[in-house]
Amino acid sequence: LAKTTQPISMDSYEGQEVNITCSHNNIATNDYITWYQQFPSQGPRFIIQGYKTKVTNEVASLFIPADRKSSTLSLPRVSLSDTAVYYCLVVTGSQGNLIFGKGTKLSVKP
Amino acid sequence: DAGVTQSPTHLIKTRGQQVTLRCSPISGHKSVSWYQQVLGQGPQFIFQYYEKEERGRGNFPDRFSARQFPNYSSELNVNALLLGDSALYLCASSLLAGVDGANVLTFGAGSRLTVL
Repeated sequence: LAKTTQPISMDSYEGQEVNITCSHNNIATNDYITWYQQFPSQGPRFIIQGYKTKVTNEVASLFIPADRKSSTLSLPRVSLSDTAVYYCLVVTGSQGNLIFGKGTKLSVKP
Repeated sequence: DAGVTQSPTHLIKTRGQQVTLRCSPISGHKSVSWYQQVLGQGPQFIFQYYEKEERGRGNFPDRFSARQFPNYSSELNVNALLLGDSALYLCASSLLAGVDGANVLTFGAGSRLTVL
């Protein structure tokens, strides 16, 4: 199972774009990159998933280079409510469980 | 639509006691998974049930057990509680058994267990 490495914490200010990079050097051909967000005392919430190139939804964008050994979650114009822990995960479709690391604690300041 | 609901939201037990946590999945979801999250760590997989059968088990001792009922709700039981079992216990449901983008996990808010 691929392991992921991401920064433990990041600070930002309201209105800025935040990019969180995750490395997954051992990603397999059939694996997807998935990001979850977790607020204190809540369960994680799915944000975005991608296989290659770029994926965008109403919340975030996910950039994946051709070698797929890393990925970058981009949050445009963050607000205080984006303060949370962000988890990068590598998943295989047939797999039934998610393997979480410690995630990146994002703190957005006014 | 109701999301994943868990009960109780908070509970306090003493060492050696037993606890049962309950989870109701999103309507139509057939897979239920349980995760343990200790403070400062990411969630750790405990069990997955799909169509009432155990589909996966994480690295937890036999004191942990679970089951899924015909209505797809689930219970997690922990016997002989230890101080280290203090954690947020999360339940997640999904339509199918896999975890790819077409079948994401939806988590409940969790049950906060404190063992004294």
